Amino acid sequence: DAGVTQSPTHLIKTRGQQVTLRCSPKSGHDTVSWYQQALGQGPQFIFQYYEEEERQRGNFPDRFSGHQFPNYSSELNVNALLLGDSALYLCASSSNRANYGYTFGSGTRLTVV
Amino acid sequence: LAKTTQPISMDSYEGQEVNITCSHNNIATNDYITWYQQFPSQGPRFIIQGYKTKVTNEVASLFIPADRKSSTLSLPRVSLSDTAVYYCLVGSRAKFYFGSGTKLNVKP
Repeated sequence: DAGVTQSPTHLIKTRGQQVTLRCSPKSGHDTVSWYQQALGQGPQFIFQYYEEEERQRGNFPDRFSGHQFPNYSSELNVNALLLGDSALYLCASSSNRANYGYTFGSGTRLTVV
Repeated sequence: LAKTTQPISMDSYEGQEVNITCSHNNIATNDYITWYQQFPSQGPRFIIQGYKTKVTNEVASLFIPADRKSSTLSLPRVSLSDTAVYYCLVGSRAKFYFGSGTKLNVKP
């Protein structure tokens, strides 16, 4: 049973560039949430996708956008990268029908130089 | 969404029982309480979840008082490999927010 898969694992981008991160949820899960975790901090909620729509959004600028596909996989896009966007980006999947919490992927380490 | 408050850090020794308490004064009726463990540069790992009273699984116990305004994660006989950050979350229908977590340091 595959868990949550994220790609790539590491990424280095230049300030001002755009980046796309990808996530495949755990089998049976239909909801995908994205988090940003800066070094030494707790994960910060970016947004959540369900039924291919953004259902909730945290306090992040419009430079952060996402998409969910019919197979429940998801992408996180960040435009006009800033140095402060350097972080571990975590994808978490869950079932909308249950309260059993999230299953997290191992994350994508994004470094903006 | 309910805000959670945890101690920033805790120290323990191998073989001891560790209890980490989380405060969530404005928890909603539909909210569940979930605990996660996170090692550096890894995604958080689910430990245990409960709604009220006591829940136990193979790695931990979760104690929730009747008013549900706090919860305590109990880790029996910790080992060095339990050194990690532990997060308490409250929420429902997959809507969970993280607090700052408790960094547990297990010493030999």
